[in-house]
Amino acid sequence: TQLLEQSPQFLSIQEGENLTVYCNSSSVFSSLQWYRQEPGEGPVLLVTVVTGGEVKKLKRLTFQFGDARKDSSLHITAAQTGDTGLYLCAGGLYNTDKLIFGTGTRLQVFP
Amino acid sequence: GAGVSQSPSNKVTEKGKDVELRCDPISGHTALYWYRQSLGQGLEFLIYFQGNSAPDKSGLPSDRFSAERTGGSVSTLTIQRTQQEDSAVYLCASSWSGGNTEAFFGQGTRLTVV
Repeated sequence: TQLLEQSPQFLSIQEGENLTVYCNSSSVFSSLQWYRQEPGEGPVLLVTVVTGGEVKKLKRLTFQFGDARKDSSLHITAAQTGDTGLYLCAGGLYNTDKLIFGTGTRLQVFP
Repeated sequence: GAGVSQSPSNKVTEKGKDVELRCDPISGHTALYWYRQSLGQGLEFLIYFQGNSAPDKSGLPSDRFSAERTGGSVSTLTIQRTQQEDSAVYLCASSWSGGNTEAFFGQGTRLTVV
């Protein structure tokens, strides 16, 4: 059973386009993190959201935590080739204290 | 050290042999995770250590897989009688205190079973 489902699984777009990645679960999370992984490297944290309904912006990236703390989205405005990578959401569960990773969204941005 | 260190970075082994993968977490981090990542896929949880608590082994795919963490620091993931389907990148991560804190990852060990 996959606790965190991401969609889409793959996304291929051109520079300048906007996109949204979704992270959904039937479980409630105490916090939600987003990571980006580049080839040959481990994932690196982009942001952590902790309050239901919270919106955080990181330059062209906007992250939102759902009101019910079961879902999150990542919106990228005017994508650049440097945004290419694997995007992973990860949640902390109240009852286990371990970090659960989502299924991942592989983004390819073409010039 | 400054970050999470994994060794070896690459390992090629023959089917049926045992392998040991090492992870040196960031000093002071009480939580340590092992994940497996197949080519182009997401992260598959293997095992979680938190302080002196019993490890969460719920993600280990078979009894050929085991892990230990000595002295609350260095961890070793052991795969016995390796199979070709064990080929993947094995990632280790550590964090200050588990689920709600940032996980810092090593660069992984790429295991190839031939």
